[in-house]
Amino acid sequence: DIQLTQSPSFLSASVGDRVTITCRASQGISSYLAWYQQKPGKAPKLLIYAASTLEGGVPSRFSGSGSGTEFTLTISSLQPEDFATYYCQQLDSYPITFGQGTRLEIK
Amino acid sequence: QITLKESGPTLVKPTQTLTLTCTFSGFSLSTSGVGVGWIRQPPGEALEWLALIYWDDDKRYSPSLKSRLTITEDTSKSQVVLTMTDMDPVDTATYYCAHKRLRGGPMDSWGPGTLVTVSS
Repeated sequence: DIQLTQSPSFLSASVGDRVTITCRASQGISSYLAWYQQKPGKAPKLLIYAASTLEGGVPSRFSGSGSGTEFTLTISSLQPEDFATYYCQQLDSYPITFGQGTRLEIK
Repeated sequence: QITLKESGPTLVKPTQTLTLTCTFSGFSLSTSGVGVGWIRQPPGEALEWLALIYWDDDKRYSPSLKSRLTITEDTSKSQVVLTMTDMDPVDTATYYCAHKRLRGGPMDSWGPGTLVTVSS
């Protein structure tokens, strides 16, 4: 199985901050990586797929980059609605796996 | 607009079999490339992928749960059914179904989820 390790697991930041979350894969996955946002009690929401393609309707302050084994999700200027948990997911091979999540909280 | 909704029991006893139904609209599971998957999330924990079924009846399972899982489709009803045998309290989780637009592609639409508790 391909393991995904997100860092940090917890992040405290302020509105307006620029934040970056990293996802490292245990082996190369090309660009078969997606990022999701999840708020308490809600289903995950797709933000980015193919490592860097923004899903329709997602604000442009979200961006993704990387390929192979290292990927990043960047939020350029945090908004109040961005405080949530973020997960990466690899779709290169089965079993599909998720990272352990990064909880983003208001400082 | 794609929508999905999970349904099934909220409480099951240990050793029982869980049957969950995902009823969807806005797409067809007969369309080339399309898939529907199941994912679960224990309270306070991370997401775990369980199973997928594609338009061509290709089925994929999590290796750690494969012996307990069966995924099927009823195209006429726009439903995908997941059964999980021999339920245990550690299987207590919110279960989600999700639409997958193509192989290798992301899960772009999700149902709201259904919480299943395993307890005697």
